[in-house]
Amino acid sequence: QRVTQPEKLLSVFKGAPVELKCNYSYSGSPELFWYVQYSRQRLQLLLRHISRESIKGFTADLNKGETSFHLKKPFAQEEDSAMYYCALSDWDSNYQLIWGAGTKLIIKP
Amino acid sequence: EAGVAQSPRYKIIEKRQSVAFWCNPISGHATLYWYQQILGQGPKLLIQFQNNGVVDDSQLPKDRFSAERLKGVDSTLKIQPAKLEDSAVYLCASSLARGERSGNTIYFGEGSWLTVV
Repeated sequence: QRVTQPEKLLSVFKGAPVELKCNYSYSGSPELFWYVQYSRQRLQLLLRHISRESIKGFTADLNKGETSFHLKKPFAQEEDSAMYYCALSDWDSNYQLIWGAGTKLIIKP
Repeated sequence: EAGVAQSPRYKIIEKRQSVAFWCNPISGHATLYWYQQILGQGPKLLIQFQNNGVVDDSQLPKDRFSAERLKGVDSTLKIQPAKLEDSAVYLCASSLARGERSGNTIYFGEGSWLTVV
């Protein structure tokens, strides 16, 4: 079981589209999440795939064929600058979270 | 609603010394987690409690790390003796039930930053 975030750092201009990549390997049916950590704030849940919500303009679609769960936003805002973590819930291990290494998103003005 | 409280926020110790971190979860949360987050990595679960019982401590280095959750509320995580590679942020988290899943969200504390020199 593994979660991979291939980009350690992603820098885009304000107003540009954002896509944070997440790929996973899991033998069962995964439940996936995106967490965000803004500067000097605690880690918090951004969204979960099962909710199919848009939170702060972000969406993420689970693609089982490509084993991906990329986070997208059409128009980046400066307040989106943060660390973003993709995580998978492993129901085999008491729903323990398996984390990616994170991507630092910087939105340039 | 008060969040997960942790202390101390920052600690610098020399290798081979001991250190203890304290966590007070959100009131009513039965599940408590301790994570270790090394710089540049995602969090790694060290130990998970359900009330005052240990559910999972498979990744806890038991030769030097210990944790307890007396009375099923507050928890302490101890490292003795510390090594250089223990430098990390120690995150405490809590949830109503086990695991991050529909209807159950894990809430994190601000973390305790440990530097071992």
